[in-house]
Amino acid sequence: RKEVEQDPGPFNVPEGATVAFNCTYSNSASQSFFWYRQDCRKEPKLLMSVYSSGNEDGRFTAQLNRASQYISLLIRDSKLSDSATYLCVVLLGVSNYQLIWGAGTKLIIKP
Amino acid sequence: EAQVTQNPRYLITVTGKKLTVTCSQNMNHEYMSWYRQDPGLGLRQIYYSMNVEVTDKGDVPEGYKVSRKEKRNFPLILESPSPNQTSLYFCASSLSVRLNQPQHFGDGTRLSIL
Repeated sequence: RKEVEQDPGPFNVPEGATVAFNCTYSNSASQSFFWYRQDCRKEPKLLMSVYSSGNEDGRFTAQLNRASQYISLLIRDSKLSDSATYLCVVLLGVSNYQLIWGAGTKLIIKP
Repeated sequence: EAQVTQNPRYLITVTGKKLTVTCSQNMNHEYMSWYRQDPGLGLRQIYYSMNVEVTDKGDVPEGYKVSRKEKRNFPLILESPSPNQTSLYFCASSLSVRLNQPQHFGDGTRLSIL
């Protein structure tokens, strides 16, 4: 089982729709969680950190469920420019500063 | 301009010929790391460094070496490259991984080993 798993997609979604995807992690000691987006052949860029109480940044909402060991990303009112691959990242633990990346979920927003 | 600079951007070379990919950041970041990205596998961390003279293995360190003699530089060395090291490589840095600081990435190095 991979340490961080994501549905690879692609998710084909009409413009304006709401889309959500999850990321599961296997190490219960994982400390920190992030969502990055990556455009084709470009470097990843931080979208948002994920906090225990959940957090929102404009149209984006991130949630953490420690009991079930997953994080989620919700995108409301999706735009064409949201088309990208979304990468889930987990920082393993207090004494282990290794970052584990999911393979990404591809999102395609259609007009 | 704050940035992470990798060189070269593209390299085609042959099996066994030692190569170095340089990485430099001008943001006084403590944490630096190297990743490779392969289709279907996502980003995998090769090595990371918490600070000068401190390096640790990531997921896939075999066949790679790194050094962190200065804070700004974190070169990736392939002593004897093999075709399975053909990949897209990214260097990244952050102020401190403990403080949930974002990773800043270089533009990537596309490496082909024939």
